[in-house]
Amino acid sequence: EPEVTQTPSHQVTQMGQEVILRCVPISNHLYFYWYRQILGQKVEFLVSFYNNEISEKSEIFDDQFSVERPDGSNFTLKIRSTKLEDSAMYFCASRFQRGDRTDTQYFGPGTRLTVL
Amino acid sequence: GENVEQHPSTLSVQEGDSAVIKCTYSDSASNYFPWYKQELGKRPQLIIDIRSNVGEKKDQRIAVTLNKTAKHFSLHITETQPEDSAVYFCAATTGFQKLVFGTGTRLLVSP
Repeated sequence: EPEVTQTPSHQVTQMGQEVILRCVPISNHLYFYWYRQILGQKVEFLVSFYNNEISEKSEIFDDQFSVERPDGSNFTLKIRSTKLEDSAMYFCASRFQRGDRTDTQYFGPGTRLTVL
Repeated sequence: GENVEQHPSTLSVQEGDSAVIKCTYSDSASNYFPWYKQELGKRPQLIIDIRSNVGEKKDQRIAVTLNKTAKHFSLHITETQPEDSAVYFCAATTGFQKLVFGTGTRLLVSP
């Protein structure tokens, strides 16, 4: 069964450094998402992406964040200047869409980002 | 925007007992309600979902009920087993965009 994949599994960085988290969504999916989960807390929406543009973003997703689909398979999340509070598990998700039917979002295994 | 509340935060049951987790949502436009199971350090895994045109759905030991009027939905697990121990998240969405998650329920099933 196809799965969403993410790399790296764990990223350690210094405060102020740039990080790029990578995701490969399921191949025929059209909608892509980034969520984050601070340790012990709920999963929070960051951004959704469709047709090569951001379709919605949360308050968390400020100017330090950007997303890109540089080719037909990868979907990346960039944090330009990391802060301590960016430490979290970052999940990528993807979804197919059939007409008006809402389809399941499938989550990747996550990237644990630790900012020191 | 949508707000999802989930109760209880922790639930301890004996193996073989039933477990019920409840969620309420605020946006009457929400039309899709998935439940995810998350084991420690792992990705959220969909275990069951329900759409707003259905009141109940069952899959073996797991069932979900939806009350659109009251804007609440519940997860029911029967004959619980130790491997059911995990954190369970409910979520809601209006369809095209983000999932809004509840705060999670840590289920502990004791042998």
